[in-house]
Amino acid sequence: AQTVTQSQPEMSVQEAETVTLSCTYDTSESNYYLFWYKQPPSRQMILVIRQEAYKQQNATENRFSVNFQKAAKSFSLKISDSQLGDTAMYFCAFMNPNTGNQFYFGTGTSLTVIP
Amino acid sequence: DAGVIQSPRHEVTEMGQEVTLRCKPISGHNSLFWYRQTMMRGLELLIYFNNNVPIDDSGMPEDRFSAKMPNASFSTLKIQPSEPRDSAVYFCASSSYSSGQYFGPGTRLTVT
Repeated sequence: AQTVTQSQPEMSVQEAETVTLSCTYDTSESNYYLFWYKQPPSRQMILVIRQEAYKQQNATENRFSVNFQKAAKSFSLKISDSQLGDTAMYFCAFMNPNTGNQFYFGTGTSLTVIP
Repeated sequence: DAGVIQSPRHEVTEMGQEVTLRCKPISGHNSLFWYRQTMMRGLELLIYFNNNVPIDDSGMPEDRFSAKMPNASFSTLKIQPSEPRDSAVYFCASSSYSSGQYFGPGTRLTVT
């Protein structure tokens, strides 16, 4: 079974600074997908960024980027120029396409951006 | 596309009543997921469907919970009878192969 671990329950960052959220996972698969989701106080789950395991290039979406280390099974999220609207819960997720698109979520990291 | 649509957005009901939550997935997505989120237990997968067929319902807490997907554009999650411990936010999400799951806005259920 796949497991996803987020070891930082809470983090904070000053506005305009950079913060990195950690995520590790465990799998024996070689082909899979990794995701970061953001859940602001509104409770809406928002897909932030997606990484395909067979691509070595790290995914980037505006101020959000990942550091994907396949051998270490690590998938961290970097938020640059943090904004107050980035305050949210962040979930890391793993998907094995060979098991019918089922997702495995981490327990989340609560990020607070301080003005 | 309107995204995943859930109704109702809020539901308040008394213990023992039947509750039905509804979901319309994104057109073209072939997988649909029902989740429950609480402070105590976090995000839990209840059941998911591929091509309208239930694949894994091991997360359904007990027989009071049932889910159906009669066609590719509609699914329901039913709780009968409801209990106060069922109070939570229930999310529906849909996906196609490797697209990532897209979540609906959730239904906040309160059982008194």
